[in-house]
Amino acid sequence: LAKTTQPISMDSYEGQEVNITCSHNNIATNDYITWYQQFPSQGPRFIIQGYKTKVTNEVASLFIPADRKSSTLSLPRVSLSDTAVYYCLVGDDRYSSASKIIFGSGTRLSIRP
Amino acid sequence: KAGVTQTPRYLIKTRGQQVTLSCSPISGHRSVSWYQQTPGQGLQFLFEYFSETQRNKGNFPGRFSGRQFSNSRSEMNVSTLELGDSALYLCASSLLAGVEQYFGPGTRLTVT
Repeated sequence: LAKTTQPISMDSYEGQEVNITCSHNNIATNDYITWYQQFPSQGPRFIIQGYKTKVTNEVASLFIPADRKSSTLSLPRVSLSDTAVYYCLVGDDRYSSASKIIFGSGTRLSIRP
Repeated sequence: KAGVTQTPRYLIKTRGQQVTLSCSPISGHRSVSWYQQTPGQGLQFLFEYFSETQRNKGNFPGRFSGRQFSNSRSEMNVSTLELGDSALYLCASSLLAGVEQYFGPGTRLTVT
């Protein structure tokens, strides 16, 4: 099971682009990379998932280099409402058990006016 | 499509009591997982159900149990509550199983 490492906290300002990098050196062939966002006293919210190269949706972009040993979540033009904890997860193929999914400490992102 | 719902949202119990929490997954989702979240331990996996069968259980004492009904709704029960059981209990559902899960708002349990 691949372990992930991400910064404990990050600060940025409204309107800026924020990039959060996650390291997962032991990622396996079948592993997907998934990011969640969590606001205080709420459940995590699925943001984006990818396997390789680049994935983009209406919320964020996920960049995965060829070796897949790291990934970067990119949030364009952040606002105060993007202040949250962001979790990077690396899990087996999409049909594996939830028991294999480990939420680490996450990155606490603080956005200032 | 309605999201995952959990009831109750807030609960206060005293030590030694028991509690039952309920989770209704997204319509069509057959997999339900439960997590405990505390400031010190983060998000920890409790158990996972799929089609009424418990597939996996996390490293929690036997006081924590759960079940899933034929309509995929799930309940978890904690008996003989301890102060350390105070936490946010989160339920998540997914179509099959795996990393793409949809979480409910959680039940905040306070044990006094």
